[in-house]
Amino acid sequence: NAGVTQTPKFRVLKTGQSMTLLCAQDMNHEYMYWYRQDPGMGLRLIHYSVGEGTTAKGEVPDGYNVSRLKKQNFLLGLESAAPSQTSVYFCASNALASTDTQYFGPGTRLTVL
Amino acid sequence: AQSVTQPDIHITVSEGASLELRCNYSYGATPYLFWYVQSPGQGLQLLLKYFSGDTLVQGIKGFEAEFKRSQSSFNLRKPSVHWSDAAEYFCAVGGGSYIPTFGRGTSLIVHP
Repeated sequence: NAGVTQTPKFRVLKTGQSMTLLCAQDMNHEYMYWYRQDPGMGLRLIHYSVGEGTTAKGEVPDGYNVSRLKKQNFLLGLESAAPSQTSVYFCASNALASTDTQYFGPGTRLTVL
Repeated sequence: AQSVTQPDIHITVSEGASLELRCNYSYGATPYLFWYVQSPGQGLQLLLKYFSGDTLVQGIKGFEAEFKRSQSSFNLRKPSVHWSDAAEYFCAVGGGSYIPTFGRGTSLIVHP
């Protein structure tokens, strides 16, 4: 079991460029989440999904889009990157929503210049 | 709406000393409570969780936490801290929706 994996681990973008972060889980979990972590801000939820083909906005969704075409994958897209999106991004999944343990990926460190 | 407060941004302890990290929550029903640990450069990992039953729960790495309904608290404790315990600790509450609520975290610094 690989658990939750994230690709890539590091990325540097220029302002205005686009990219997609990939999250994959092999635990057959229904629920998947994208967070960003900034110093002093804790974890902030960007988007989440309660099942294949569904997505919903979290606390800070602006500037991001997501897709869940396959149950095991949850993609986070930045269409036009901004310096304010410099952050560490974490993907998580669980089987029973908020009453269940969340399993986190190792994170993607993104820098936007 | 549910919420979690971790009053201490940073905690500094000496190696071998005892530790208590505070967590207060707000939730209308019986909460599902979690403590996670994040080592530098890594994702979050579950330390322990409380759903029901015994209010003192044991976790990994020698940690324990006590649920006190009257104080709306779920404080994390360890009797003797090791240098490898230096990390960020997050308390979380779930149960009301699809989305768990995390506290802002407490950074633990361990002096030799």
